[in-house]
Amino acid sequence: AQSVSQHNHHVILSEAASLELGCNYSYGGTVNLFWYVQYPGQHLQLLLKYFSGDPLVKGIKGFEAEFIKSKFSFNLRKPSVQWSDTAEYFCAVNARGNNRLAFGKGNQVVVIP
Amino acid sequence: DADVTQTPRNRITKTGKRIMLECSQTKGHDRMYWYRQDPGLGLRLIYYSFDVKDINKGEISDGYSVSRQAQAKFSLSLESAIPNQTALYFCATRSPLGDNEQFFGPGTRLTVL
Repeated sequence: AQSVSQHNHHVILSEAASLELGCNYSYGGTVNLFWYVQYPGQHLQLLLKYFSGDPLVKGIKGFEAEFIKSKFSFNLRKPSVQWSDTAEYFCAVNARGNNRLAFGKGNQVVVIP
Repeated sequence: DADVTQTPRNRITKTGKRIMLECSQTKGHDRMYWYRQDPGLGLRLIYYSFDVKDINKGEISDGYSVSRQAQAKFSLSLESAIPNQTALYFCATRSPLGDNEQFFGPGTRLTVL
């Protein structure tokens, strides 16, 4: 079964600081990888996804993530955060051929103006 | 207009009551999912369905049932609600093609007193 680990559940940082959120998964086969964002009071929205090709994926709002197969990781980064990036961020993994997404427990990110 | 809608958006009920949460989608997707979100636990899958005749249990199906009335509609029922079912419930859809991205509804906040 696939499982997903996200560390540092609560992250507090100032505007313009850099953000990196870790995501590790446990599945040895081919995977599709996702980062979703949930702004306060809203539903989950896709930030970016990896399916194949370039392991460095660019998403919306200046976010990017790098798939490192040897480390089973898909870390999310943003060089300079804004107050509007305050949200909860979820990593999700889908094993190819499996119809289910496994979600991590999320990172609650608070950006202080 | 939203592609995935959920009703009601908020509901407060009492222990022992039967509750139905409804989800409709206009994306034409055949795969639909119900999740619950709890603080610090991320999203956990309750049930999922590939078409009207196909229903599958997720990781936390006890205490819940579902009905797939049509391709566009997928309802979640709590036969006898209990307080630990207080949570945020999300419906999602997924196309059978492509990279398994899921599309989420706005959520239903359920409180069981």
